[in-house]
Amino acid sequence: AQTVTQSQPEMSVQEAETVTLSCTYDTSESDYYLFWYKQPPSRQMILVIRQEAYKQQNATENRFSVNFQKAAKSFSLKISDSQLGDAAMYFCAYRRTLMDMRFGAGTRLTVKP
Amino acid sequence: GAVVSQHPSWVICKSGTSVKIECRSLDFQATTMFWYRQFPKQSLMLMATSNEGSKATYEQGVEKDKFLINHASLTLSTLTVTSAHPEDSSFYICSARDMLTGRDYGYTFGSGTRLTVV
Repeated sequence: AQTVTQSQPEMSVQEAETVTLSCTYDTSESDYYLFWYKQPPSRQMILVIRQEAYKQQNATENRFSVNFQKAAKSFSLKISDSQLGDAAMYFCAYRRTLMDMRFGAGTRLTVKP
Repeated sequence: GAVVSQHPSWVICKSGTSVKIECRSLDFQATTMFWYRQFPKQSLMLMATSNEGSKATYEQGVEKDKFLINHASLTLSTLTVTSAHPEDSSFYICSARDMLTGRDYGYTFGSGTRLTVV
């Protein structure tokens, strides 16, 4: 079974600083996708960034980047220049091709002004 | 981009009644729809997977007779909570598979439904 572990229930960062959210996963598959989703108080799931396992290059989306370590099964999210609007729950997720998505327990990020 | 419209956004119902939640893919064909449940301060847990024209596949521990899923068309899937009880109060969210040029591209989430059973 595939499992996703987020070991940080809560994280806090000062505005304009950088924060890294951790995620590890367990799988025996070689072809899969990894995601970070943001869930604000509205509870809408917002895709932050996606990584295909076959790609060695780490994905980047503006201030968001990942550190994908396939051998270590690690997928951390780095948020640079943190903004107040980044405050939310962040979920790491794993998915095999054409299969359902499995989520970690989430990390609540607080951004201090 | 792909949009999934989920309705209602919130609903309050009396214990023992049934509630239907709809998810519609607005600009793509959702061959597969996933239904999740999220309790307060918890993660999303998969309840069931539905493929258009087929019976839904339920996760272990999810009562298929209580949570009826219909996926009769490529743009509409419904979840009906039958004989709802207060313990069914939760946030329900759907996710549709968005096929792009034949390659599995990404999944799109609905905006969720907050169900409160009183």
